[in-house]
Amino acid sequence: NAGVTQTPKFQVLKTGQSMTLQCAQDMNHEYMSWYRQDPGMGLRLIHYSVGAGITDQGEVPNGYNVSRSTTEDFPLRLLSAAPSQTSVYFCATARSGYNSPLHFGNGTRLTVT
Amino acid sequence: KNQVEQSPQSLIILEGKNCTLQCNYTVSPFSNLRWYKQDTGRGPVSLTIMTFSENTKSNGRYTATLDADTKQSSLHITASQLSDSASYICVVSEGGSQGNLIFGKGTKLSVKP
Repeated sequence: NAGVTQTPKFQVLKTGQSMTLQCAQDMNHEYMSWYRQDPGMGLRLIHYSVGAGITDQGEVPNGYNVSRSTTEDFPLRLLSAAPSQTSVYFCATARSGYNSPLHFGNGTRLTVT
Repeated sequence: KNQVEQSPQSLIILEGKNCTLQCNYTVSPFSNLRWYKQDTGRGPVSLTIMTFSENTKSNGRYTATLDADTKQSSLHITASQLSDSASYICVVSEGGSQGNLIFGKGTKLSVKP
C-alpha cells in the first residue's frame, strides 16, 4: 500500500517550459488536492477535486491546470513555467467527509530558472 | 481575514524534556482543528483532528488541546525524542469542505541529545 506517490521528486525547468507533476493514490480516496509550500508561508491550495471528473480552484490557481479522469490520478500541469512557481508541491488526498485527515505525498521540489 | 498564527517560530529542547506549541486562530465558521508533523523533505503527517466539542485529544506522546471560546490550541509533546525534530503545523478547517483549510506557518522543533 504505497499511499500517495508523487513524481518526479526534483525538477528544474527554464522559464516558459511546461511540465506535468504526477500524483497517484491507491487508497480509493475521493478527495485529491495540490498544495504549494514556500519558505515562511503556510501551505496554499492550488486546485482540488472531490471525485473523478470534478475539479475546482483553490487559493492560488493561476498558471496551473488539473484534470481528474480516474479516482487514482490527479496530475498538475504547469503551462508556461515562471520563476514565481519555484516551490515544493504536495499532493494530498482524503476520504470524503470534512473531518477526514489529509494524506500527503512526499512532494516535488521544482526550480524554475 | 481568516488566519492561523503559531508560536514560537522555532524551539530547541533537550531530549527527554516536554514542550508545548501554541496555535491561535481567527477562522470562522470553525469546523475542526488539526495538527500535522512534517519531517524535513517529507510531506506532513496527521497527528490529531479535533472538532468543536473536543477539548483534548492524544496520539501517543502528543496531546492536543482546544479552547474554541478563546480560539486557541496547543500541542504538548511529552518526553521528547530525537525523532520529534520536525515542523509542526496547525490547520483550521473553515467548515464544510476540505478545500477551506487554513494553514499556519509551523513551529520548527529541534530536539538535541
